[in-house]
Amino acid sequence: AQSVAQPEDQVNVAEGNPLTVKCTYSVSGNPYLFWYVQYPNRGLQFLLKYITGDNLVKGSYGFEAEFNKSQTSFHLKKPSALVSDSALYFCAVRRINDMRFGAGTRLTVKP
Amino acid sequence: DTAVSQTPKYLVTQMGNDKSIKCEQNLGHDTMYWYKQDSKKFLKIMFSYNNKELIINETVPNRFSPKSPDKAHLNLHINSLELGDSAVYFCASSQKVTYEQYFGPGTRLTVT
Repeated sequence: AQSVAQPEDQVNVAEGNPLTVKCTYSVSGNPYLFWYVQYPNRGLQFLLKYITGDNLVKGSYGFEAEFNKSQTSFHLKKPSALVSDSALYFCAVRRINDMRFGAGTRLTVKP
Repeated sequence: DTAVSQTPKYLVTQMGNDKSIKCEQNLGHDTMYWYKQDSKKFLKIMFSYNNKELIINETVPNRFSPKSPDKAHLNLHINSLELGDSAVYFCASSQKVTYEQYFGPGTRLTVT
């Protein structure tokens, strides 16, 4: 079954430091992977996706993600965190007729 | 213009009542979804419609019934509301199932 796992419920970083939010996947065949962000009292917003091609994918707000087939991972990264990046982040994988989301990771960036 | 809109934003009602949530997208997408997000922020797919046809119906009580009058609208009707139905319900849309989804702002349903 196509699924993703986010091993960390919470990630804390200091403003200006690099951040990583982890995601691992379990799929048969080639994975279609996505990252979304949810700010308080808002719907999810699409950040970036990996379908095929370059393993480093760039997305909105300076975020990028690295697809690693050998480690079955798709970690979200940003070189320099902002306080405004504090939010809930979801990794997701495409299934045949829908998308399956991970449990979410709450990112807190402290000044 | 709002891409995916939902009404109402907040819905407070009593157990046993019937209520509806409306969703509209102006993106020209052919697939629409309903999700339920619980208090722990876990996001669960409920229904998926492609070109007005139901393609996904996860394990959801039959008190929940989606209706898609056209490709731009997907409404959710809930009969005999229960306390456990309290959650935030999100509508989303995508151009084909494989593409990224765009979410509405959510409807916070509180059943008392």
